Amino acid sequence: GQNIDQPTEMTATEGAIVQINCTYQTSGFNGLFWYQQHAGEAPTFLSYNVLDGLEEKGRFSSVLSRSKGYSYLLLKELQMKDSASYLCAVMDSNYQLIWGAGTKLIIKP
Amino acid sequence: NAGVTQTPKFRVLKTGQSMTLLCAQDMNHEYMYWYRQDPGMGLRLIHYSVGEGTTAKGEVPDGYNVSRIKKQNFLLGLESAAPSQTSVYFCASTMGGSSTDTQYFGPGTRLTVL
Repeated sequence: GQNIDQPTEMTATEGAIVQINCTYQTSGFNGLFWYQQHAGEAPTFLSYNVLDGLEEKGRFSSVLSRSKGYSYLLLKELQMKDSASYLCAVMDSNYQLIWGAGTKLIIKP
Repeated sequence: NAGVTQTPKFRVLKTGQSMTLLCAQDMNHEYMYWYRQDPGMGLRLIHYSVGEGTTAKGEVPDGYNVSRIKKQNFLLGLESAAPSQTSVYFCASTMGGSSTDTQYFGPGTRLTVL
């Protein structure tokens, strides 16, 4: 079967750095996506990785290791508005997204 | 440019009732998707469409039907609602089906079936 694993919840302090991990087992791989979802809102796109390595967008970075079936999202200089759920999704061989359950990130002052 | 819109935003149904959820996008996207999101689970694909007049089943299609008569609209129907269909429903669209196409989501419909 296909499986995406993420921690259910994490807590971090404002101004700090946090790493959210995602491991996956899917039938085929055509890229890995990270989305942010604030409570009661729609998911919004954060990043996309298809090759091993780092993608950076401002305070957010994502890293992929295809050989390990692993990715992580790194959030720097945390702000209160970063409190949200972070969803990892893998595009499988049929070009359909398989979604993790999401990691709820709580930021404390 | 409104992006992806969904109506209604909230709905309460009784078991056995029917309803239609409407998704509209103004980005001229070819692909459209219907997902459901339940606590503790990832988004699950119900049905999708790769173009006007086409539809296909996703991971959890039972109990739902869809139609894509116009390119900009994707309708999700529940013929006989069941409590197990209580969920948040998201519509999404992409330009095409390639791996680099970002999915744009609507604001969601919160459905409760009593």
